Amino acid sequence: GQNIDQPTEMTATEGAIVQINCTYQTSGFNGLFWYQQHAGEAPTFLSYNVLDGLEEKGRFSSFLSRSKGYSYLLLKELQMKDSASYLCAAYNTDKLIFGTGTRLQVFP
Amino acid sequence: ETGVTQTPRHLVMGMTNKKSLKCEQHLGHNAMYWYKQSAKKPLELMFVYSLEERVENNSVPSRFSPECPNSSHLFLHLHTLQPEDSALYLCASSRMGSGNTIYFGEGSWLTVV
Repeated sequence: GQNIDQPTEMTATEGAIVQINCTYQTSGFNGLFWYQQHAGEAPTFLSYNVLDGLEEKGRFSSFLSRSKGYSYLLLKELQMKDSASYLCAAYNTDKLIFGTGTRLQVFP
Repeated sequence: ETGVTQTPRHLVMGMTNKKSLKCEQHLGHNAMYWYKQSAKKPLELMFVYSLEERVENNSVPSRFSPECPNSSHLFLHLHTLQPEDSALYLCASSRMGSGNTIYFGEGSWLTVV
């Protein structure tokens, strides 16, 4: 079967750090994507992990553990503009399977 | 600007209407996709075109009919839709092959009345 799980909603304070978790079960696995989607806008690419470990890109980092079927997106020094939905997506052989997305609200 | 342009951005149609959604990509990609995004549900892959040939059709009802005349353009023809088809329809493109980043358009909001 194929399943992607992530929390539905999270809240955090401006300047803080937040970690959005994602667990996946796919029959084949070729990597994991994170996308950001602001309300009414296109999902935009944030990161892609194929190998285990942490990939850092400015304020955003993404971690993958293939053996545990687990990934997280870490957002540091949160800003109000980071309020958005964050979509976890696993590549299953040749298809990208999405989770429902985590809606993050950042408060002042 | 993502390089993938969708029109119209908003569409309201009756259940007996025929309309089309249009997508154009300016990224030189050779694979294009239609996704459906409904509230509180994961993005659902509807169709995949690779080198202008349909390679994926995820049990989508025949009232949705895709067309890919060339590698830069993708259409979704809509006919006798149901109210439950109201959703955001996202077009996307990528280079062919697993692991390549998919780039999305801003979507067409469809309301069926």
